[in-house]
Amino acid sequence: GAGVSQSPRYKVTKRGQDVTLRCDPISSHATLYWYQQALGQGPEFLTYFNYEAQPDKSGLPSDRFSAERPEGSISTLTIQRTEQRDSAMYRCASSLAGGQRPTGELFFGEGSRLTVL
Amino acid sequence: GIQVEQSPPDLILQEGANSTLRCNFSDSVNNLQWFHQNPWGQLINLFYIPSGTKQNGRLSATTVATERYSLLYISSSQTTDSGVYFCAATRDNYGQNFVFGPGTRLSVLP
Repeated sequence: GAGVSQSPRYKVTKRGQDVTLRCDPISSHATLYWYQQALGQGPEFLTYFNYEAQPDKSGLPSDRFSAERPEGSISTLTIQRTEQRDSAMYRCASSLAGGQRPTGELFFGEGSRLTVL
Repeated sequence: GIQVEQSPPDLILQEGANSTLRCNFSDSVNNLQWFHQNPWGQLINLFYIPSGTKQNGRLSATTVATERYSLLYISSSQTTDSGVYFCAATRDNYGQNFVFGPGTRLSVLP
């Protein structure tokens, strides 16, 4: 697509439920990032994909968090057994960089705001 | 990993005033971006500026990579400039983690 698209824009869930967030990057972009942004803070890195490979998931806060990008395009971020501290804006970004192309400009979607009650 | 700091943390301006926002980073970087988070939460790209100077209308940015800082200049500020300004940097060359600073919250008063 023309821009990075995320869904849902808003999600309210009860503690203990599983949540899946979706990101559709810019169609020509090889690299896809997930960031978590708590209220009043800057975005913090969770993980990234280079096509379908996931070279770095060091930012995932616990094993309840996982991400996939099975065909190198759309990605999902799943949070299992949600906790109140998971409430945040989850942002997806994509970049033209990939393979041997150097890091390029990040373009962000509008984010998915998660509230865990 | 690198550390990114921003100053000032908060800034209040009267419409029409000029301002300079600063981003310092702890190590050499190969990539740096400035973003504006508007009051609706959208992160808008302002500049991709690993080095040098760029201008876009009333905004301009300069990165001096050897001295580990970047500056964002806003001239003739408008109320629509309000929001939070973030810089993000990475020293990696190939598609890795951009580290964000804590942001500068700008309020432009009419």
